[in-house]
Amino acid sequence: KAGVTQTPRYLIKTRGQQVTLSCSPISGHRSVSWYQQTPGQGLQFLFEYFSETQRNKGNFPGRFSGRQFSNSRSEMNVSTLELGDSALYLCASSSTGFWENTGELFFGEGSRLTVL
Amino acid sequence: GQSLEQPSEVTAVEGAIVQINCTYQTSGFYGLSWYQQHDGGAPTFLSYNGLDGLEETGRFSSFLSRSDSYGYLLLQELQMKDSASYFCAVKGETDKLIFGTGTRLQVFP
Repeated sequence: KAGVTQTPRYLIKTRGQQVTLSCSPISGHRSVSWYQQTPGQGLQFLFEYFSETQRNKGNFPGRFSGRQFSNSRSEMNVSTLELGDSALYLCASSSTGFWENTGELFFGEGSRLTVL
Repeated sequence: GQSLEQPSEVTAVEGAIVQINCTYQTSGFYGLSWYQQHDGGAPTFLSYNGLDGLEETGRFSSFLSRSDSYGYLLLQELQMKDSASYFCAVKGETDKLIFGTGTRLQVFP
C-alpha cells in the first residue's frame, strides 16, 4: 500500500511569508504527527492529530499550526517565516495513537523548507 | 527537562558489530524506539522496547534497562548499506515521541 506522502518536497520562501505543507497518511491511519528536523536539533515534535483533533503539541511558537481533515490528510502552516524555520519537516502516521501500539511511526520523506 | 543522549558519530568496518547507546531523562516512560534514516530519506522504524531486555530482529537487536534509563541498538554483520543516522526515541507520559539527536554510523569496507 502507498506510504506517507508529503508535498511539496522542496520549497523556498522569504522571511515574513507563510507556508503550508501537506501530508497524506497511509490509508486507514488516523494519527498524523509532525516533526521539524534540523542538523543541530535533531527531530523535534511539533504536534499530533487524531481524528481531526489536536492531541498533543510541542514547544513551538504559535506561528506553527496545523489541522487534520476528515480523510486524515493533514496540513501544517508556518506564518511569518523566519530564517531559523529552514528545516526538513517530516510527517508521520500510525494506525492509532503511537502510545497504543509499539511506538512505530511511518514517516514521509519530508518537505525541505528554505527561508531566505 | 526531557532529553536523550546518543553519541554523535560511530565508525566501523564491514562485518563488524557496533553498539549505539542511548540514555534518557524523561517525565514518564512507556517505551524506547529506534529509527534509521539514510541521507535524504525518511526515518524508518527498526525496533521497540517496552520492557527490560533484548529484542532481536535479524541483524539488529535492541536492549532496554528502565532502571538505568538506558538502551542500546546493536548492529551485527555490518554492511555498507547500514551507513545511516540512527535515532532513539522515547514515549513519555505526555504521549509525545521525543527523539535523540541521532548517531551517524559510517561503515567502511
